This record gives sequence, C-alpha cells and structure tokens, in this order.
Amino acid sequence: GENVEQHPSTLSVQEGDSAVIKCTYSDSASNYFPWYKQELGKGPQLIIDIRSNVGEKKDQRIAVTLNKTAKHFSLHITETQPEDSAVYFCAASNGNQFYFGTGTSLTVIP
Amino acid sequence: EAGVTQFPSHSVIEKGQTVTLRCDPISGHDNLYWYRRVMGKEIKFLLHFVKESKQDESGMPNNRFLAERTGGTYSTLKVQPAELEDSGVYFCASSLMPDTDTQYFGPGTRLTVL
Repeated sequence: GENVEQHPSTLSVQEGDSAVIKCTYSDSASNYFPWYKQELGKGPQLIIDIRSNVGEKKDQRIAVTLNKTAKHFSLHITETQPEDSAVYFCAASNGNQFYFGTGTSLTVIP
Repeated sequence: EAGVTQFPSHSVIEKGQTVTLRCDPISGHDNLYWYRRVMGKEIKFLLHFVKESKQDESGMPNNRFLAERTGGTYSTLKVQPAELEDSGVYFCASSLMPDTDTQYFGPGTRLTVL
C-alpha cells in the first residue's frame, strides 16, 4: 500500500518568514494530494490540493508543488502569520483511500 | 450549512468497557469515512461507507470495532471491549463524491482507555 512520509515534525518560524513542509509518497498510482490544517480543538480542514496533472498550485500565501518523478510534494506558506500556527497534514490518494503523513506542528512566533 | 459533527467530543472509559461514537455527516453526502489518529502518528483510514453500505473496511483494526450507518445518514462506531491501544482521536469525514473528492472532517472524538 501507499506510504506517506512527512517532514519536519515540528517547525518554528518568525512571523513574516516562509515555512516549507515536505512529503514523499511511494505509490506511483497516487494522483491526488490534499493538505489539511488542524487547529486546536478542531478537525482537519482542507487548505489546498493538487492533482497529478499539475506541477504547482497557488492560493494567496499558500502554494503546493508536486514532483511526480521524485514522488514528493511540498507545502509553502509565505509571509507567515500567528494564525498559521497549527498542525498540517499531507495526504496522498490513489482513488481508493487517503493516506496521511504524521503531521507537522507549525509555530509562528510573533 | 452545518458541517460534520461528532459526539461525544471526549470519552474516558476503562479497559473492557464499551464505547459508541457517533458521526453526523454533511447533509447529502453519501460518502462517510472513519479515521483514527494515535498520538504523534498519522491519521489512519478505518473504513468508508457509501450510503448505508460498507465500501471499504480494510482499515478496521479487528473485530472489536463495529461500524454502522443505518439508513445512510449518521454513522456509529462501536468499540467492544475496549483495549488500551484503542486510545486516540477518532475522526469522521464526509464527501459528496468518492475517491479523490474533498473530504470534510468533523472535530473528532478523543477516546482514552484506562
């Protein structure tokens, strides 16, 4: 089955700096890669996703890149703000199940 | 429109007891998923309902776990008898379409087995 690895497990950045979270996957059949943000006391919420026919997608301060050859995808957050502090999960899907990474706890220091 | 809701938010039980978790998906979402996150680890798939039918239950840990979705609306996940390793956060998610459609998650139920 699919194996998704996510790094780093924790990340601290100064407000205004950029944050990058990286994930790798093992199943070349995976074709959908969502990113979820989980704030304290809430469930994971989709923030951006990318499909395998696209190499990059951007939504305001958030961008995701996908390298199908290397089987890795990354989340980029620019101009970080304190409200970006949360746990972020990457996931990969081959159309059957979602396989999640272990999460990255991002802290943005004011 | 209401999102996915789960009840209870927290449950503390002793080993050997029974617990039933409930999930109410977004209205009109035929696809309902159960996941579990053990502390510090990945969110792991348990099973997938399409309406009232179990589409995929390959992630269910063992036969102490029973999921139902009678009538194709809300779903329950029963753990009987509970073991220490069942502790974790149980998430429910729903989607309009299956496969790679956006899944909307509930807030989760934190289960602690003592």
